[in-house]
Amino acid sequence: KNEVEQSPQNLTAQEGEFITINCSYSVGISALHWLQQHPGGGIVSLFMLSSGKKKHGRLIATINIQEKHSSLHITASHPRDSAVYICAVRNNNDMRFGAGTRLTVKP
Amino acid sequence: DAGITQSPRHKVTETGTPVTLRCHQTENHRYMYWYRQDPGHGLRLIHYSYGVKDTDKGEVSDGYSVSRSKTEDFLLTLESATSSQTSVYFCAAGYDNQPQHFGDGTRLSIL
Repeated sequence: KNEVEQSPQNLTAQEGEFITINCSYSVGISALHWLQQHPGGGIVSLFMLSSGKKKHGRLIATINIQEKHSSLHITASHPRDSAVYICAVRNNNDMRFGAGTRLTVKP
Repeated sequence: DAGITQSPRHKVTETGTPVTLRCHQTENHRYMYWYRQDPGHGLRLIHYSYGVKDTDKGEVSDGYSVSRSKTEDFLLTLESATSSQTSVYFCAAGYDNQPQHFGDGTRLSIL
């Protein structure tokens, strides 16, 4: 079993829909990251959080340390949000990545 | 990402040949990382560096070596490439011990 599990693996939505991507982990962590990988392959860091909630534009990331769970929400989704979203957890010098959630937003 | 350049972006080579991938950064980050990305797997750490000439192994280091002779450059070498090393390789860099900025990836095919 992977230490970082993401669900769903694939997600298709209509433009404007509210999107939720989930991440569960089984190890102790000092921080959790959400990354975005565009079809061209480049990876961008979206959030780093160790507690509570962070918001940037239409993106919201939450984490529940007790439940070892994080969610990434996208409000008013747009086709340009189509990408692979990756959850990663950090414990000291070690970082483990989920396999990613492929999001497709249709116009 | 800004400041991280990987070269080459694509490479096809044969089993048994040596291959070197280069990562160049312009932001003076102390930490640099090499990952591989394979279908069904998350990014997996190959090696990382915490300073010039300071490197350490990651989760999947067998068959790979690295060198960092300058802050800005981190080289990944496959001494004798095998088909199992066909993958997409990502370099990353950060000012503390976590990757904050990623390169655009190198697609390596070993036939």
